[in-house]
Amino acid sequence: LAKTTQPISMDSYEGQEVNITCSHNNIATNDYITWYQQFPSQGPRFIIQGYKTKVTNEVASLFIPADRKSSTLSLPRVSLSDTAVYYCLVAPGTGFQKLVFGTGTRLLVSP
Amino acid sequence: KAGVTQTPRYLIKTRGQQVTLSCSPISGHRSVSWYQQTPGQGLQFLFEYFSETQRNKGNFPGRFSGRQFSNSRSEMNVSTLELGDSALYLCASRDDRVGEQYFGPGTRLTVT
Repeated sequence: LAKTTQPISMDSYEGQEVNITCSHNNIATNDYITWYQQFPSQGPRFIIQGYKTKVTNEVASLFIPADRKSSTLSLPRVSLSDTAVYYCLVAPGTGFQKLVFGTGTRLLVSP
Repeated sequence: KAGVTQTPRYLIKTRGQQVTLSCSPISGHRSVSWYQQTPGQGLQFLFEYFSETQRNKGNFPGRFSGRQFSNSRSEMNVSTLELGDSALYLCASRDDRVGEQYFGPGTRLTVT
């Protein structure tokens, strides 16, 4: 299972764009990259998933370079409610999927 | 569609007792995984069930067990509780044909 590395914490202000980069040098060919958001004492919430290039949904964008050894989660115009821990994970797209969570990135959004 | 539900949400037990936690996956999802989250160890995988069969197991002692029923609902049991079992227990379900897992709100277990 690929190991991921991401910053322990990040600070931002309301209205700014936040980019969180994750490194996954040993990603396998059939691995997808998934990001989750977690608030204290709640289950992680799925944000976005991608395999290559760029994926966008209503809450975030995910940028994946051609070598797929890293990925960047982009949160446009963050608000105070985006303060949370963000986890980057890599896992196979189908079949058994044991998610290995790292320490995540603690994002603090200030007014 | 309703999300993943877990019961109970909070539980207090004493050392030596046993506990059973329940998880109802999203309708149509056949894969259910369990995770333990503690401040010290973070989120750790316990086991995964698919069509009533355990597909894989994490590195937890045999006191931790689970099962899945024909309607995909799953239960997790912890016997002979220890103080270190105090944690947030999370259940996640997945449609096995696509990638993402959807988590429930968790059960907060406190062992005294």
